[in-house]
Amino acid sequence: EAGVTQSPTHLIKTRGQQATLRCSPISGHTSVYWYQQALGLGLQFLLWYDEGEERNRGNFPPRFSGRQFPNYSSELNVNALELEDSALYLCASSLVAGGEPTNEKLFFGSGTQLSVL
Amino acid sequence: GEDVEQSLFLSVREGDSSVINCTYTDSSSTYLYWYKQEPGAGLQLLTYIFSNMDMKQDQRLTVLLNKKDKHLSLRIADTQTGDSAIYFCAESIAMGYQKVTFGTGTKLQVIP
Repeated sequence: EAGVTQSPTHLIKTRGQQATLRCSPISGHTSVYWYQQALGLGLQFLLWYDEGEERNRGNFPPRFSGRQFPNYSSELNVNALELEDSALYLCASSLVAGGEPTNEKLFFGSGTQLSVL
Repeated sequence: GEDVEQSLFLSVREGDSSVINCTYTDSSSTYLYWYKQEPGAGLQLLTYIFSNMDMKQDQRLTVLLNKKDKHLSLRIADTQTGDSAIYFCAESIAMGYQKVTFGTGTKLQVIP
């Protein structure tokens, strides 16, 4: 069974540009989570989508947005890129939306390394 | 807000035990986790413990929780080179993965 897949693996942009990151969850998983892993910082929760709706967002500016498609895949868009947006962006999926975390594991993709020059 | 802290780096010799430590600030934490991130891969849930437990053992892994001091540790017995990775401590006070707070990660280097 395929795991969570993310594309592209690496993305290089310049300040002010827009970046689009993609994620395909494990087949059957309806919840998709986006996290930012910046150097020296822990994973920061960005966005949670379930059944096509944005359910929750972390403490990030509106430049960070996304969507979930009918097939449960998801896009993360970052507008007006800033240097500090350089980070590894991890997508994860789970079957149980908002349920007890230990009942259903969170499966992570390998991430998209975004570099803003 | 919630905060989870870990030391950034740990180096051990193959065959020795590794102990990775973590402190958290939120006394309401209900679930505490350890995740492993191998190079070029996403995070894998290694183990977890409920806040009403003191210890959990799973093969070579032992998790100890000191709720009074808000201290969590992960002990890896007989550390192997394949254990080299970044280990993330995480906690959540409520259900749902959107509520999980991750630490900065500890890079474990295993020397053959």
